[in-house]
Amino acid sequence: DAGVTQSPTHLIKTRGQHVTLRCSPISGHKSVSWYQQVLGQGPQFIFQYYEKEERGRGNFPDRFSARQFPNYSSELNVNALLLGDSALYLCASSLAGTPQETQYFGPGTRLLVL
Amino acid sequence: GDSVTQMEGPVTLSEEAFLTINCTYTATGYPSLFWYVQYPGEGLQLLLKATKADDKGSNKGFEATYRKETTSFHLEKGSVQVSDSAVYFCALVYNTNAGKSTFGDGTTLTVKP
Repeated sequence: DAGVTQSPTHLIKTRGQHVTLRCSPISGHKSVSWYQQVLGQGPQFIFQYYEKEERGRGNFPDRFSARQFPNYSSELNVNALLLGDSALYLCASSLAGTPQETQYFGPGTRLLVL
Repeated sequence: GDSVTQMEGPVTLSEEAFLTINCTYTATGYPSLFWYVQYPGEGLQLLLKATKADDKGSNKGFEATYRKETTSFHLEKGSVQVSDSAVYFCALVYNTNAGKSTFGDGTTLTVKP
């Protein structure tokens, strides 16, 4: 079975632009979480979605938004990009998003904001 | 708030040496604890986990025990191999926060032949 897939793999944007990142979970997984990983740091939680509903949100500004589709894939949108948004964006999926479950991570999308 | 503190790296060991990577956490409840590994050029993958106090997680020769009294979840391996070279992340998930994982900053391990 395919793992978690993310697209695109790399992206270069300029300040003020908007970006959309995409994630397809493992087949059968209904929960998707998004993380931001700045170089040299651990991933920071952005959002979790389960059955198309937002279940959790981290400490990120309103410029960050996400949604989950009926097929459980997800998009992360970032508006008005800042230089500090440059990072690796990770998507993780799990069956139901419960705390004890294993999360499976995708390879990430590396975003560079110039 | 919840937080995870990991031993600072990088850590460099010779093959067959004993490995310990320290991890302590701050939590008001009883989180589940995880170790993830990120091999060069690859994504994050779960190494092991423990969901309640005194549980021991183990995988690929690595072990970690959930110690509530010391709020720790140290990672150990008796004999490391070159192939263990990677970045290791300790993480916690609160039972009331579903998929929200809080990660440490990672420890880079390099094993030399």
